[in-house]
Amino acid sequence: DVKVTQSSRYLVKRTGEKVFLECVQDMDHENMFWYRQDPGLGLRLIYFSYDVKMKEKGDIPEGYSVSREKKERFSLILESASTNQTSMYLCASSLIGGPQETQYFGPGTRLLVL
Amino acid sequence: AQTVTQSQPEMSVQEAETVTLSCTYDTSESDYYLFWYKQPPSRQMILVIRQEAYKQQNATENRFSVNFQKAAKSFSLKISDSQLGDAAMYFCAYRRASGNTPLVFGKGTRLSVIA
Repeated sequence: DVKVTQSSRYLVKRTGEKVFLECVQDMDHENMFWYRQDPGLGLRLIYFSYDVKMKEKGDIPEGYSVSREKKERFSLILESASTNQTSMYLCASSLIGGPQETQYFGPGTRLLVL
Repeated sequence: AQTVTQSQPEMSVQEAETVTLSCTYDTSESDYYLFWYKQPPSRQMILVIRQEAYKQQNATENRFSVNFQKAAKSFSLKISDSQLGDAAMYFCAYRRASGNTPLVFGKGTRLSVIA
């Protein structure tokens, strides 16, 4: 079974702090994604990566950056956390050319910025 | 740009009854994939069912089936014999078949199951 893990389930940070959210997948997937989930807004794509050191902006990249130094790991960075970044963050991965390129999700990190 | 619309923010169903969740999408592509994902409370999002646009036959997975109407750009999910464990957020998603592009998600439908 595909396993996608996220470094924290819950995180509390202060405004202005630098925040790292980490995601690891164990199935050698090329694609990795970071989404933000808010009530009534569904899932919105922040960034995705299709290879090591490659990244593409999603729908809401402002205030975020990403890093992919190894194939299995994709990090989301909040350079200076703000209260409007309080949200649930979901990581996902998929295999290029896999069955309809189904995405597999991690358990999510619920971030509270005070 | 492709969009996915789920017009029912919340729905409820009696245990053992059948419920249908609606999803429409907008695309100019002819080949694409459609998905329904389930997110139980405080649990991981999982794939429920997927459909290839070029297949006319509707996908089924046990108690879950879809009604795919390509011309109408409609992709509804039917849950038969609803169980308490079906209570969750359900997300409809679209992905075009060509190129390496992310999924486009709807805003979700929260399904409650009443015992």
